[in-house]
Amino acid sequence: SQTIHQWPATLVQPVGSPLSLECTVEGTSNPNLYWYRQAAGRGLQLLFYSVGIGQISSEVPQNLSASRPQDRQFILSSKKLLLSDSGFYLCAWSPQGGGYTFGSGTRLTVV
Amino acid sequence: GENVEQHPSTLSVQEGDSAVIKCTYSDSASNYFPWYKQELGKRPQLIIDIRSNVGEKKDQRIAVTLNKTAKHFSLHITETQPEDSAVYFCAASITGGGNKLTFGTGTQLKVEL
Repeated sequence: SQTIHQWPATLVQPVGSPLSLECTVEGTSNPNLYWYRQAAGRGLQLLFYSVGIGQISSEVPQNLSASRPQDRQFILSSKKLLLSDSGFYLCAWSPQGGGYTFGSGTRLTVV
Repeated sequence: GENVEQHPSTLSVQEGDSAVIKCTYSDSASNYFPWYKQELGKRPQLIIDIRSNVGEKKDQRIAVTLNKTAKHFSLHITETQPEDSAVYFCAASITGGGNKLTFGTGTQLKVEL
């Protein structure tokens, strides 16, 4: 069966520091991969998605970037965090035309 | 792009009553409509989905209906229980081309004893 791993679970980072969140999927090949952000008490905002290795589409211009160095690995990065980057970051995968399975999320607090 | 509106934002029902959450979408090409349940501090989890070639789908106490002409779909929960209390999100996508889901803004459902 397929599983998705996301880490770390919580992170407190100072303003201006770098960020790296990692997500890996097991048990499937060539999944669609996604990064979403959820602000406190708010909906889900799509940040990036990828349909294959090295293929990244950005939905919202901001100081974040994403990379997919391997088929089942998706990384969210920032060179310099802003206070507004705080939130609950969720990685997800889907087969073609199917529903998403979300990772357990990373709660990021920028201080 | 796709826009999904969801109503109500909060919903309070008595245990045993039914709950209905409604969503509308803007892109007539959308053909996949999942519903997610998110408990406090947890990840969203898929509870039911429907494709555009189907008008209704049921899974025990949960059902989803789709009206393609009106571009709206609804989640129905019968015989609500306290463990149904959570935030529910609807979503819409066009399968293929990245399968990007556009989510509604969520409904906080509270089931009171």
